[in-house]
Amino acid sequence: DAKTTQPPSMDCAEGRAANLPCNHSTISGNEYVYWYRQIHSQGPQYIIHGLKNNETNEMASLIITEDRKSSTLILPHATLRDTAVYYCIVRGAGSYQLTFGKGTKLSVIP
Amino acid sequence: KAGVTQTPRYLIKTRGQQVTLSCSPISGHRSVSWYQQTPGQGLQFLFEYFSETQRNKGNFPGRFSGRQFSNSRSEMNVSTLELGDSALYLCASSSTWSSYEQYFGPGTRLTVT
Repeated sequence: DAKTTQPPSMDCAEGRAANLPCNHSTISGNEYVYWYRQIHSQGPQYIIHGLKNNETNEMASLIITEDRKSSTLILPHATLRDTAVYYCIVRGAGSYQLTFGKGTKLSVIP
Repeated sequence: KAGVTQTPRYLIKTRGQQVTLSCSPISGHRSVSWYQQTPGQGLQFLFEYFSETQRNKGNFPGRFSGRQFSNSRSEMNVSTLELGDSALYLCASSSTWSSYEQYFGPGTRLTVT
């Protein structure tokens, strides 16, 4: 599975959009990008995933660049409850596990 | 629908002892995965069970083992505990094996003294 690089921490004002970047320059054609988050003292929570098209669900939007070497998770209106560590994971169809990196610690500030 | 439950939530053991952790998946889910989370190594995959069979295994020593019962409940066992086994052990369930969408439980916090 391709390696991912995320900034260690980010701040976002409450009510504003939070844009979390992820670099995955070695991604191959059949590898998906997944995002999970972990709120303090809880287990990780699935957010969204995509292959090459942009995706949106009730929680977030995922924007993947055309060359697929990077992506951005967008939380459109961040709330204090969105304060968490966000993990960007790249996984191939033939891989059987989620490999979590260090993630980005997002702090939403009132 | 009830979420993934793990018992116990907290546990303190002594070096050399063994421990068994339990996980009940979401009703209808047949796959259970186990992860270890430590401040130094982050979240690391231990193994995955589906229909009572271990499907995948991470890079952990043989002291770590698990099993799954016919009702999909799973147990994880660690024998001859070491100080470095102190961690949060997380269980995740999914409807099928190797699923991208896993639902995690709250974890069991194990402290080895």
